[in-house]
Amino acid sequence: EAGVAQSPRYKIIEKRQSVAFWCNPISGHATLYWYQQILGQGPKLLIQFQNNGVVDDSQLPKDRFSAERLKGVDSTLKIQPAKLEDSAVYLCASSKTGIPNEKLFFGSGTQLSVL
Amino acid sequence: KNQVEQSPQSLIILEGKNCTLQCNYTVSPFSNLRWYKQDTGRGPVSLTIMTFSENTKSNGRYTATLDADTKQSSLHITASQLSDSASYICVVRDFNDMRFGAGTRLTVKP
Repeated sequence: EAGVAQSPRYKIIEKRQSVAFWCNPISGHATLYWYQQILGQGPKLLIQFQNNGVVDDSQLPKDRFSAERLKGVDSTLKIQPAKLEDSAVYLCASSKTGIPNEKLFFGSGTQLSVL
Repeated sequence: KNQVEQSPQSLIILEGKNCTLQCNYTVSPFSNLRWYKQDTGRGPVSLTIMTFSENTKSNGRYTATLDADTKQSSLHITASQLSDSASYICVVRDFNDMRFGAGTRLTVKP
């Protein structure tokens, strides 16, 4: 079974530039999550999708971050414009149905450095 | 204040030794607690899940315990190996949200 795929693996940009990350979840998984993980901290949820609908985006800085999951499969997360404090690893995760006891399957993440 | 606190923040042990990682939480109502292992440069991978009625659960050399009364969990690693070097993250779930701890960074040295 293929895992959660993310690209790019690394990205270096200057502040005020824009950047986009891509995620392909495990086939058949209805729930998709984007997390931000700052060095030395646990992941912080940015947005959760159930199929192509948003379940929770309460912690997404909507003035600069946007995400979509067209057709309920792949997802993209965009930052525009980027700030220095956006430097982090962006993890995508998926789960089969989103029920509380399910484990999440994580991708390897995209490491973003904002200079 | 984070609702999930892990200790120690980092730990260095020699190969073959045992160690115990702690997770204290205030999340309520409690649904379940998962321990994840995160290798450097990789996403977290689930090791085990603990529900309210479970006290102990093993997965190979990993043994997790849960005391729902004191809201504490531990992850015990037996006969550590170099491949155990990773961050271990405790995730506590109520019925709506997941709360992540900051993790314990374990380094196993030969």
